[in-house]
This record gives sequence, structure tokens and C-alpha cells, in this order.
Amino acid sequence: DSGVTQTPKHLITATGQRVTLRCSPRSGDLSVYWYQQSLDQGLQFLIQYYNGEERAKGNILERFSAQQFPDLHSELNLSSLELGDSALYFCASSVRDSDTGELFFGEGSRLTVL
Amino acid sequence: GQQVMQIPQYQHVQEGEDFTTYCNSSTTLSNIQWYKQRPGGHPVFLIQLVKSGEVKKQKRLTFQFGEAKKNSSLHITATQTTDVGTYFCAASSGSARQLTFGSGTQLTVLP
Repeated sequence: DSGVTQTPKHLITATGQRVTLRCSPRSGDLSVYWYQQSLDQGLQFLIQYYNGEERAKGNILERFSAQQFPDLHSELNLSSLELGDSALYFCASSVRDSDTGELFFGEGSRLTVL
Repeated sequence: GQQVMQIPQYQHVQEGEDFTTYCNSSTTLSNIQWYKQRPGGHPVFLIQLVKSGEVKKQKRLTFQFGEAKKNSSLHITATQTTDVGTYFCAASSGSARQLTFGSGTQLTVLP
């Protein structure tokens, strides 16, 4: 158990819909990262927040947005969903706002868009 | 953006054989991390390398960071069925704050 909690674990929805994925970081971790993993693909970095502020942005689509709340949990919002958005979405957390140090991953939210 | 190339994509070995996966970058890396993802699981941190030429060992796993800090390898000696999974390298350079993950090497160990 990494200490990172993601909900929901599974989500099935239709094209054009909007979903929200939620992540609670490990206790004490201020950084939250979102990654997308498509079938048999690597981990694509989407976005990072540190203590409520956006710190780094990867290849995140304009239809996607995220935020980190004062209690440090984070939400990833995916809108106007397309078939290609079907993937496993991982949240990870770390103590520091840097590119060093271990990332602790949650178990992921598997999104299926039909 | 920064890219990290990882090879091979797939590797099948007989139990007891050795296994190596490689990561290469065209740019100098600040550090490199290795993660393991079991089938159906999430990535789990294995190690971080920071210094040029660094070598670290964890039981049967040996991790190396190249002298030029542009490549790294993970070597497993005498694989076991518990080693099955996908091994990812993740690297950052001075210009990029975030870790960029390689595409992973999926290891299958045949009993």
C-alpha cells in the first residue's frame, strides 16, 4: 500500500461525457502528479501540483484540467471524452517539489470510454 | 521535449537466466529512477541514481548510471518468476522539472 488513494478504481462512460478522477496523496506529501497509461504504453506525464499550485505541465489536452485543493487532494477533470481517452490514469505523490525523490503511485483509475 | 529511449520493449527469459534493460537519452540527465510495475499493478519505485558512473545493487538487481549521465541499465541476475513485470526508467534533465518515463521493458520469466 503506497498510501496514495485514487477513486474511482473503474469508470465506464460514453463519448462526449465528463468525468472527475480523485487522488489523495500520502500523508505529508505536498506534490501530486497525474500520469496517463494507455494499453501497453508507457506513462505519459500530464501535470504536477505542489501545495496547491501548478508546477509543471506535460502533454495534457485542453479538454483535461486538474487542481489541487487546500487539503492537498487533487482532481483530474476529463471532458468531451473520446474513445482514445480510455486509459489507466495514475496519481503519484512525493514530498518535494522537484524532479528528484521517489514517486508513490496510487493504484490508478481505469477509464473506459464507449 | 526530453525523450528517454528504453530497450528492449519485450524480453522473455527462462527462469535462472539474466536480464538487462537499457535507457538512453540524447541529453545529459540530472538523475534517473527505476520503477517496476507488476501486471495489473501500479509502478513501484526501485532506486534513484544521481552520480556519474554510479552503480547500486539490490540483491539480484544491479543499476548503473553512465559516465556521461546519458544512459542507464538495470540488470537482473538469475531471474525468478517474481521478477515478472514491466520495468520503467524515469529521468529528468536540468531543463525539465518532471520525470519522463521510458516506454518500459516487459519481462516474462518462463518457469
